[in-house]
Amino acid sequence: DIQMTQSPSLLSASVGDRVTLSCKASQNIYKYLNWYQQKLGEAPKLLIYYTNSLQTGIPSRFSGSGSGTDYTLTISSLQPEDVATYFCQQYNSWNTFGAGTKLELK
Amino acid sequence: EVQLQQSGAELVKPGASVKLSCKTSGYTFSNYYMSWLKQMPGQNIEWIGNIYGGNGGTGYNQKFKGKATLTVDKSSSTAYMDLSSLTSEDSAVYFCARRVAAIGGFDYWGQGVMVTVSS
Repeated sequence: DIQMTQSPSLLSASVGDRVTLSCKASQNIYKYLNWYQQKLGEAPKLLIYYTNSLQTGIPSRFSGSGSGTDYTLTISSLQPEDVATYFCQQYNSWNTFGAGTKLELK
Repeated sequence: EVQLQQSGAELVKPGASVKLSCKTSGYTFSNYYMSWLKQMPGQNIEWIGNIYGGNGGTGYNQKFKGKATLTVDKSSSTAYMDLSSLTSEDSAVYFCARRVAAIGGFDYWGQGVMVTVSS
């Protein structure tokens, strides 16, 4: 099974900050990587698919990058409504999710 | 508008089974896979399996084989998941989610259903 490791597990940032979240796969996943946002008590929402494609309706402050085993989700200017837990998901071999990064306001 | 409406919360006894439903609307059910996912409180998400709305073909996470059985009713555009021989480790929120094969991602989700296994 492919293991996904996200870091940090908790991130505190201020409104307007540029925020970077990391996701590392245990083997090459060839950019087959999606990102989700989950707010408290809600279902996850797809933000980014295939590493860097923005899902319809998602603000352009969200972006993704990466290749091989290392991937990044960037929020260019943090907004209060971005407080959530962010999960990465690989689909190169079945599906596995990372443990998530909880993003809070400083 | 695409909607996935899941059945209500369940309280079940250890050793029992439960059947969860996910009624869909707003898209052609038979053209997509439906996935089921598990999320224990405060923990990460586990993919349980997929079922294709067109022919009922399934794929399961090895961990959930024998635990979960996925079925569909095309006439009502509803997906089901049976969970058997429940233990406390099965207490979790279960989501159904539409899978888009081209992107390997889940673009619409049900609201989730809490299953509590307790005597």
